[in-house]
Amino acid sequence: QKEVEQNSGPLSVPEGAIASLNCTYSDRVSQSFFWYRQYSGKSPELIMSIYSNGDKEDGRFTAQLNKASQYVSLLIRDSQPSDSATYLCAAPIGGSARQLTFGSGTQLTVLP
Amino acid sequence: GAVVSQHPSWVICKSGTSVKIECRSLDFQATTMFWYRQFPKQSLMLMATSNEGSKATYEQGVEKDKFLINHASLTLSTLTVTSAHPEDSSFYICSAQRGEGQFFGPGTRLTVL
Repeated sequence: QKEVEQNSGPLSVPEGAIASLNCTYSDRVSQSFFWYRQYSGKSPELIMSIYSNGDKEDGRFTAQLNKASQYVSLLIRDSQPSDSATYLCAAPIGGSARQLTFGSGTQLTVLP
Repeated sequence: GAVVSQHPSWVICKSGTSVKIECRSLDFQATTMFWYRQFPKQSLMLMATSNEGSKATYEQGVEKDKFLINHASLTLSTLTVTSAHPEDSSFYICSAQRGEGQFFGPGTRLTVL
C-alpha cells in the first residue's frame, strides 16, 4: 500500500461544477495534511492545509479531513478552466514532522 | 509571504560537467529546505533534506557524492549535480519549510546532453 494514495484520474468536470479530489494515507499519527496544485511544467503551489477533523473552507476550496478513516479530500466549487491542473495530496509520513510524502497526484480538467 | 526563488530556471550542459542550482527563501528564514526531482508524468521524489549549518540528509538511493547540498545560511541552499549524465536530466525543485508547510521554488529544468 502506498503511504499517500490518490486516484490518478484523469478527472473531468464541466465548468461550474464541483470537483472532488480524494486522498488516503497510511500513517495514523500524521497530524497535518496539505493540498498542492501543480500546473503542467510548473512547481507545486500550496493551496490548502488542514490539521483538524472536519471541513476547512478557503474561497472556492474546501478541505475535509477524517482521521479515523485516514482520508482527506479537496472540493473545488464553481470549477473554472483555470483550475485544470494536477492536485497533489501530501502528509508527513513515518514520524518526521517536516518531511512530506506526496501522492502521485490527480489530474483535473475543467471543461469550458 | 513565503516566496522561494530558484536559479537558474533552466540549464543545458554537456555530459561530465557540474551544475549548481540555488534555492533562496526571499521573505523568511528557513532552517530546513528540501530538494526534489520530478520526471515527466511522475510525482515528486524527495532527494534530500537540507539543514542550515549541518549535513544534508539524503533519501535512500540518492548518491550524496553526486548531489552535493550546501545550506550555509538561513536563506540559501545549493544543489550541485556533479559529473552530470543524460539520466540526470529532470526537473529539480526546492522547497523551504515555513511553519507547518513547505513552499516551493519555481524549479530548475536540467538537460544533460
